[in-house]
Amino acid sequence: AQTVTQSQPEMSVQEAETVTLSCTYDTSENNYYLFWYKQPPSRQMILVIRQEAYKQQNATENRFSVNFQKAAKSFSLKISDSQLGDTAMYFCAFMKHGVGTSGTYKYIFGTGTRLKVLA
Amino acid sequence: DAGVTQSPTHLIKTRGQHVTLRCSPISGHKSVSWYQQVLGQGPQFIFQYYEKEERGRGNFPDRFSARQFPNYSSELNVNALLLGDSALYLCASSLGQTYNSPLHFGNGTRLTVT
Repeated sequence: AQTVTQSQPEMSVQEAETVTLSCTYDTSENNYYLFWYKQPPSRQMILVIRQEAYKQQNATENRFSVNFQKAAKSFSLKISDSQLGDTAMYFCAFMKHGVGTSGTYKYIFGTGTRLKVLA
Repeated sequence: DAGVTQSPTHLIKTRGQHVTLRCSPISGHKSVSWYQQVLGQGPQFIFQYYEKEERGRGNFPDRFSARQFPNYSSELNVNALLLGDSALYLCASSLGQTYNSPLHFGNGTRLTVT
């Protein structure tokens, strides 16, 4: 079974600074996908960034980037130039490859990191 | 375009009662999933439906059931409510079942069982 671990329950960062959120996972699969979702106080989970495990190049989306270390099973999220609107819970999620049209399409989430951006 | 919509937004029930939660996916999305998020935890997978067929079920008791309708909307039913069922219930939809079809979540239904 796959597991996702986020070891930082809470973090804070000054506005305009950079912060890195950690995520490790455990799986015996070789091909899989990883995601970071953001959940602001409005409760809606919003996709931040995603990574395919067979791609060595780290994904980037504007101020958000990941450091994907497959051998170490690590998938950290770096937020550059932090903004007040980045204040939210951040969840790391895992999905195995090859679900197809007959398998179960499901994500396995970590317990989250609460990030507070300070003015 | 409208996102994933869930109703009601909040609900208070008594132990032993039954509850029905509703979800309308993004137009064109054929997959609907349900997740339970207990306070302070990450979402836990409950059910997934694709093309109106159940494709997977998480580790939840038989008191939990769901279905998907011809218009791809979905209902989650929970019978004989327990205090431990108090949680945020999230519905998510996706176009298909591939990496290129990430989950889109609704705002959730906050269920409180007293």
